[in-house]
Amino acid sequence: SQQGEEDPQALSIQEGENATMNCSYKTSINNLQWYRQNSGRGLVHLILIRSNEREKHSGRLRVTLDTSKKSSSLLITASRAADTASYFCATKTRGKLQFGAGTQVVVTP
Amino acid sequence: ETGVTQSPTHLIKTRGQQVTLRCSSQSGHNTVSWYQQALGQGPQFIFQYYREEENGRGNFPPRFSGLQFPNYSSELNVNALELDDSALYLCASSPWTTSSSSYEQYFGPGTRLTVT
Repeated sequence: SQQGEEDPQALSIQEGENATMNCSYKTSINNLQWYRQNSGRGLVHLILIRSNEREKHSGRLRVTLDTSKKSSSLLITASRAADTASYFCATKTRGKLQFGAGTQVVVTP
Repeated sequence: ETGVTQSPTHLIKTRGQQVTLRCSSQSGHNTVSWYQQALGQGPQFIFQYYREEENGRGNFPPRFSGLQFPNYSSELNVNALELDDSALYLCASSPWTTSSSSYEQYFGPGTRLTVT
């Protein structure tokens, strides 16, 4: 079973637009991480937000965390074709890093 | 600084055979985790190794086993392969983490295993 669930499953936008995806999780966490995966290859860590943080920025990425709702969101601003990838949230539960099923993002020129 | 590497890149095996996948961790990392990723799904945690000992395991049968060596590289062995074992196998390294904390993991490019 997967701890996190991303929504939507897939997202198609044009270059320059913003992309927002959400992650819901089930148990309490110390932190939540977002990863990107290009074309079924290895995952790349994007950002980690701790449970006592509400918002975090990294370049064009903005992550929010609402521990009362057990949810997080990832916003990519001014998207580029190179942002085309699958995005996963991950939380650590009982010592195991658990991933959701991901949001597939396609950015068209 | 060398990143995480995995070998082979692709592998085709027959049902019932055994397979060994290899991973070299990033320099300075002493913890290695293995994940199975089926098509269209997120990675599923198989197990983690720290200082050559298994340190946490997901819901995978005993025919999935591993090793970690003194240089922190690692192997994943799967016996009696089944068709459902076809997947992308990812290795990730990180500094040591406790059950209550977490650092980012550095992933290798993966090994695509096809079982026919």
